[in-house]
Amino acid sequence: DAKTTQPPSMDCAEGRAANLPCNHSTISGNEYVYWYRQIHSQGPQYIIHGLKNNETNEMASLIITEDRKSSTLILPHATLRDTAVYYCIVRSAMAGGYQKVTFGTGTKLQVIP
Amino acid sequence: EAGVAQSPRYKIIEKRQSVAFWCNPISGHATLYWYQQILGQGPKLLIQFQNNGVVDDSQLPKDRFSAERLKGVDSTLKIQPAKLEDSAVYLCASSLGAGAYEQYFGPGTRLTVT
Repeated sequence: DAKTTQPPSMDCAEGRAANLPCNHSTISGNEYVYWYRQIHSQGPQYIIHGLKNNETNEMASLIITEDRKSSTLILPHATLRDTAVYYCIVRSAMAGGYQKVTFGTGTKLQVIP
Repeated sequence: EAGVAQSPRYKIIEKRQSVAFWCNPISGHATLYWYQQILGQGPKLLIQFQNNGVVDDSQLPKDRFSAERLKGVDSTLKIQPAKLEDSAVYLCASSLGAGAYEQYFGPGTRLTVT
């Protein structure tokens, strides 16, 4: 499984953009980059995923470098409710076409008033 | 749409006792996952079901953990006998299918083994 590297923690001022980096230098050509977040005492929540192109949805934007060895999750206007642990995951394929998601330790984002 | 339901939310047991957790996935979701999350770590996949068949249980400690999904809907995870190191949050998740992009997680069951 491709491994990911994330900073253990980051701070962001409320209302500013939060840029969360992730390195995945061993990613394979058909593996997707996923982002989940986990707010305290809740289960993880899907945010966004991408393969090669940049992606945007109502929650965030995902920027993937051309060589696909790193990516950045952008929360454009962070709020206090965005305080959470953010997991960058490379989704690997198993035999039979099944997908496997392996969580690392993530980045703890603290949004500061 | 109702989310993934889990019960109980909290459980305290003594070591060597048995415990069972229950999960009801989102209606129509064929794939069900059980994760273990130890404090300060990310969730670790224990077992993955596709309908009522096991897809991956490579990280399930089979000497003490068991799981079933008899009718392809609800699932139970059992620990017998429990050890101190089993103290963790046990998360259930479901997805439309094994290749689906998004997993939906339940709130988890926090287990404390004393």
